Amino acid sequence: EAGVVQSPRYKIIEKKQPVAFWCNPISGHNTLYWYRQNLGQGPELLIRYENEEAVDDSQLPKDRFSAERLKGVDSTLKIQPAELGDSAVYLCASSADTTDTQYFGPGTRLTVL
Amino acid sequence: QKEVEQNSGPLSVPEGAIASLNCTYSDRGSQSFFWYRQYSGKSPELIMFIYSNGDKEDGRFTAQLNKASQYVSLLIRDSQPSDSATYLCAVNTAGGFKTIFGAGTRLFVKA
Repeated sequence: EAGVVQSPRYKIIEKKQPVAFWCNPISGHNTLYWYRQNLGQGPELLIRYENEEAVDDSQLPKDRFSAERLKGVDSTLKIQPAELGDSAVYLCASSADTTDTQYFGPGTRLTVL
Repeated sequence: QKEVEQNSGPLSVPEGAIASLNCTYSDRGSQSFFWYRQYSGKSPELIMFIYSNGDKEDGRFTAQLNKASQYVSLLIRDSQPSDSATYLCAVNTAGGFKTIFGAGTRLFVKA
């Protein structure tokens, strides 16, 4: 069974530029999560989807971050414009349902210069 | 008070010893608890989950949960250098709707 797929793996951009991350969850997993992980910290939830509905986006900085999950499968997380403080690893995870084990993708390491 | 707290370490143990990793949480209604291992530059991978008070064993790993004390731990027996990693404690809050991660404990197993 294929795991969670993310792309790109690495991204370097200048501040004020836009950037987008893509995630393909494990087949059949209804719940999809986007996390941000700063160096030396645990993952911090940005948004959680149940199928195509965003059910928890309380930690998403909505002035510059947006996300979508079309057809309840793949998801895209966008930052526009990026700031220096956005440099981090962005992790996508999926689970069969909300209370089930989460499986993480390899992450996208974003560097904002 | 952080919602999930872990000692950042590093915790250093000799090869073959028992490594003990601890985690406390603030939401008394939390229902499920997870331990993830994260190697440097890699994403977290699940080691164990535990839902009920007591011990749960899987190979060299034992998770212990005490809901009254709001405490969960991970024991690694016969520690190996390949166990050297950061161990993340994760807690699903009441209703299971939100997962909160601790900052992780770095473990170093000396050969």
